Amino acid sequence: EAQVTQNPRYLITVTGKKLTVTCSQNMNHEYMSWYRQDPGLGLRQIYYSMNVEVTDKGDVPEGYKVSRKEKRNFPLILESPSPNQTSLYFCASSLWGREQFFGPGTRLTVL
Amino acid sequence: AQTVTQSQPEMSVQEAETVTLSCTYDTSESDYYLFWYKQPPSRQMILVIRQEAYKQQNATENRFSVNFQKAAKSFSLKISDSQLGDAAMYFCAYPLAQKLVFGQGTRLTINP
Repeated sequence: EAQVTQNPRYLITVTGKKLTVTCSQNMNHEYMSWYRQDPGLGLRQIYYSMNVEVTDKGDVPEGYKVSRKEKRNFPLILESPSPNQTSLYFCASSLWGREQFFGPGTRLTVL
Repeated sequence: AQTVTQSQPEMSVQEAETVTLSCTYDTSESDYYLFWYKQPPSRQMILVIRQEAYKQQNATENRFSVNFQKAAKSFSLKISDSQLGDAAMYFCAYPLAQKLVFGQGTRLTINP
């Protein structure tokens, strides 16, 4: 089954404790992206990757890191999480310019 | 700026009736895709339907269809025979280079 998976689905952590949200897709898509969704602000892009070892900032990259060492994986790293990073996070993948397929979302709470 | 606008924050419809959600967009491209996504209470983002701008024929997926008016830059979603499972937030979206630009969303309620 073609899908995008994210883990964990739910995470409660404390300020400053490094965490990684994993993302994996099995559709051989070159393009992958991370979004965060907040009430009243909609979905905003954090980082994206056009292929292995090619990543770039989206609209709200501050406080986040990403890496793309393999085509299928695109982890999101919060090295020192803060409460303003409490949000719902989505990973997505696609062919260029086409519809994006989204993971199930990760609900992160930073205390 | 290239934007997507959904002017109806909330809509409601009786079960089995038809409802239309509106979307307008602004782009300077001549060839592009447009999408409708559904976000149910589970928060999963689910692709409902896609439209290719160079195709004049409106896309249809079972009970979901679009009314695509390229000149007017309008892309509305029609849901026929509404079902309780259709209750969700609906987002119109347009791919702008490396990202999707989303509208603000329309919350659809289905009344039994």
